[in-house]
Amino acid sequence: DTAVSQTPKYLVTQMGNDKSIKCEQNLGHDTMYWYKQDSKKFLKIMFSYNNKELIINETVPNRFSPKSPDKAHLNLHINSLELGDSAVYFCASSHGTAGDYGYTFGSGTRLTVV
Amino acid sequence: AQRVTQPEKLLSVFKGAPVELKCNYSYSGSPELFWYVQYSRQRLQLLLRHISRESIKGFTADLNKGETSFHLKKPFAQEEDSAMYYCALSGTGGNKLVFGAGTILRVKS
Repeated sequence: DTAVSQTPKYLVTQMGNDKSIKCEQNLGHDTMYWYKQDSKKFLKIMFSYNNKELIINETVPNRFSPKSPDKAHLNLHINSLELGDSAVYFCASSHGTAGDYGYTFGSGTRLTVV
Repeated sequence: AQRVTQPEKLLSVFKGAPVELKCNYSYSGSPELFWYVQYSRQRLQLLLRHISRESIKGFTADLNKGETSFHLKKPFAQEEDSAMYYCALSGTGGNKLVFGAGTILRVKS
């Protein structure tokens, strides 16, 4: 009965490969996010979608492409993976604006590029 | 621009000692502030938000607009409080949370 679920939990892949991470929320929230947590544990927003519409696109290489087929799903596709992409990627969702109630986070996807 | 500063990377205290995790923010408008906790290799969980003025697991935080601070406090630390704590800010009607760098709290027995 997980509120925000991400798959896979772990992903180990070689440089140059293309991979996807999936996120689903069953909270009825309107807005979903992708954050990257680097090796120093710093959290930085990458993308945000509101009702399937892209509203935030931070300075992220265009190898990263989010897709939201409906408001309950937000997937992240990464092309031509690089060593520096190794990180934990967190999906989150919110009801209304971020400041209203904060986020509910997924459990993260630990991506290791070798 | 919105910015959150958590000046301590690591805070180590003994069990039963008081805890204060510092958070300062920079925002010209009226902020919405949150504390999140991340236990080892788990998801981030909302601990508390300033607007609700609640106490969760014995933690409290007061927004001080004059000092632009939102420090997290607990009078008596417990070992199970050991975790990473993030302070986060959203502008009024803002569409994202900006996180501080996080503070690791270690509670020693």
